[in-house]
Amino acid sequence: DTGVSQNPRHKITKRGQNVTFRCDPISEHNRLYWYRQTLGQGPEFLTYFQNEAQLEKSRLLSDRFSAERPKGSFSTLEIQRTEQGDSAMYLCASSLAGRETEAFFGQGTRLTVV
Amino acid sequence: AQSVTQPDIHITVSEGASLELRCNYSYGATPYLFWYVQSPGQGLQLLLKYFSGDTLVQGIKGFEAEFKRSQSSFNLRKPSVHWSDAAEYFCAVVLYNQGGKLIFGQGTELSVKP
Repeated sequence: DTGVSQNPRHKITKRGQNVTFRCDPISEHNRLYWYRQTLGQGPEFLTYFQNEAQLEKSRLLSDRFSAERPKGSFSTLEIQRTEQGDSAMYLCASSLAGRETEAFFGQGTRLTVV
Repeated sequence: AQSVTQPDIHITVSEGASLELRCNYSYGATPYLFWYVQSPGQGLQLLLKYFSGDTLVQGIKGFEAEFKRSQSSFNLRKPSVHWSDAAEYFCAVVLYNQGGKLIFGQGTELSVKP
């Protein structure tokens, strides 16, 4: 296992388009987290899953955002009707429940909305 | 308000000099504490963490951090900085029984001059 994998690494999209990002966690990890990082800021929590259940969503996650983890393995984050303010790095992390304090991060997806 | 504060946005040190990056947290109880490093365009790598016990923790790449309960601080140190240490450093906390989500400080950008 090579760690947490995120695809694509970079995405440029026009305002109003929909985009979807994928995260493949470390295979035995049952918790998966999404964070958003804007320029010059620390990452901010968006949502997390334990297995396929989405257990918490931040109020940052507007109704244009949806995340899924249908089989408790990979996860997708979709943004509908993108806005320029959505431009950010989207980071995924995974961990084992019970050892939730050891989260491993992917390299992120850089989204640019033009 | 609950928060993680990194008061220094940008620090420049000479190669070979010592380094200290500051981090303060504001929570009722002692959270789990972390330092992460991020190179440009990359994800986050865990440097070290503190859960309990010895208040001086050792991490990777020669870094260490000291937890001071009385000051609500968790400062990161390195005795001799290398040019490859230039990166963004984030202090983060995990609150007990909060699903393992990380709350990050704003980050400190470290530049190393020859």
